[in-house]
Amino acid sequence: QSVLTQPSSVSGAPGQGVTISCSGTSSNIGANFDVQWFQQIPGTAPKLLIYGSSNRPSGVPDRFSGSKSGASASLAITDLRTEDEADYYCQSWDSSLSAYVFGPGTKVTVL
Amino acid sequence: QGQLQQWGAGLLKPSETLSLTCAVNDGPFAGFHWAWVRQPPGKGLEWIGDINHFTHSGRTTYNPSLKSRVTISLDTSKSQISLLLTSVTAADTAVYFCARGRVWGYFYYMDVWGTGTTVSVTS
Repeated sequence: QSVLTQPSSVSGAPGQGVTISCSGTSSNIGANFDVQWFQQIPGTAPKLLIYGSSNRPSGVPDRFSGSKSGASASLAITDLRTEDEADYYCQSWDSSLSAYVFGPGTKVTVL
Repeated sequence: QGQLQQWGAGLLKPSETLSLTCAVNDGPFAGFHWAWVRQPPGKGLEWIGDINHFTHSGRTTYNPSLKSRVTISLDTSKSQISLLLTSVTAADTAVYFCARGRVWGYFYYMDVWGTGTTVSVTS
């Protein structure tokens, strides 16, 4: 069981927006450790979308944005496209576990 | 950007040792952490550990849940990273990824990933 909590699934129509939450505790996100977000299309390697809670690597569309507040973080996807259908994982450092931890993942479905 | 090529035995019996190698074929090798992450079938991602090649210390950090069985090492002459996991069981069946860790403050984020190696443990 992960120390980071994510909804199992979210969905939206093409062109709409969705937000994925990542809820942590005082030993990870709440301790002000940064959050990363990854996109994984089944059968492929994860792809970095957001680092340092709100920074996009070059090549990631600005439709993807990240934020953090308190012990939670969020990934927002605007203007949904069919190619956004994937699993999305949040990740942070946990000081109690002394380990990098991932959320359980959220499946995004484009209706 | 860097490309990571992985290889290793894909089928193991219980109690055997998992051995995987990851080669950096394109891009710099020094100046990063190098990590391993695994994903059991149909499940989420689990960080296994990393080796520090940012400060050239070669210091390793392991997930406490696997620490007693894991060894991560570097071959700087070949720009390769290796993973050993001893005494495997069916619970170690997973896709194993190597990843480059770019330093960010006191930590790192994994910005380049290998394609993954499927490892199955079965008697």
